[in-house]
Amino acid sequence: GQQVMQIPQYQHVQEGEDFTTYCNSSTTLSNIQWYKQRPGGHPVFLIQLVKSGEVKKQKRLTFQFGEAKKNSSLHITATQTTDVGTYFCAGSTSGTYKYIFGTGTRLKVLA
Amino acid sequence: DVKVTQSSRYLVKRTGEKVFLECVQDMDHENMFWYRQDPGLGLRLIYFSYDVKMKEKGDIPEGYSVSREKKERFSLILESASTNQTSMYLCASSLLAQNYGYTFGSGTRLTVV
Repeated sequence: GQQVMQIPQYQHVQEGEDFTTYCNSSTTLSNIQWYKQRPGGHPVFLIQLVKSGEVKKQKRLTFQFGEAKKNSSLHITATQTTDVGTYFCAGSTSGTYKYIFGTGTRLKVLA
Repeated sequence: DVKVTQSSRYLVKRTGEKVFLECVQDMDHENMFWYRQDPGLGLRLIYFSYDVKMKEKGDIPEGYSVSREKKERFSLILESASTNQTSMYLCASSLLAQNYGYTFGSGTRLTVV
């Protein structure tokens, strides 16, 4: 079945450093979504990417969808302590309403 | 503020008990989902529903069933709880189209002893 893997599983960075998490799917996706889960909280929707090669920005966050629509990345510039949490990608294939979530990357930011 | 409400934040049940986890959304969303979240495994889909009385199995449906009698309510049922069903259970809802993100509830942490 469809699998979505994320790397790294954990990342500790100093405040101000950059951070990137990568998402890889075993199958071609129709779109991909990104979520953030704060410690003790629930996942919150950040963004959706649909087009091959698409790049979207939200302030210090940059999201990319690969040309082959099988991978994606989330890059945070100059991390802050408020960026702490687990970031999940979630991919969907055509003709289905369900999203398969990646394993998540837990980010810790050291002040 | 739109909401997905899960009936219990924490729940402790005994092995063999029948367990009901309730989820209600007030956004008139067509799709509703049940996931379980375990460390290192991410979120795994148990069941989902795209309409009243409709349900489809996710990736790990064994040991679970669901009920959707009304559009706003989606219930997850553990027919006979086992210790390996100890987990965080997350309910989510979304509009029918693929272009919308999920709205998650706060989760129910279930412990089966």
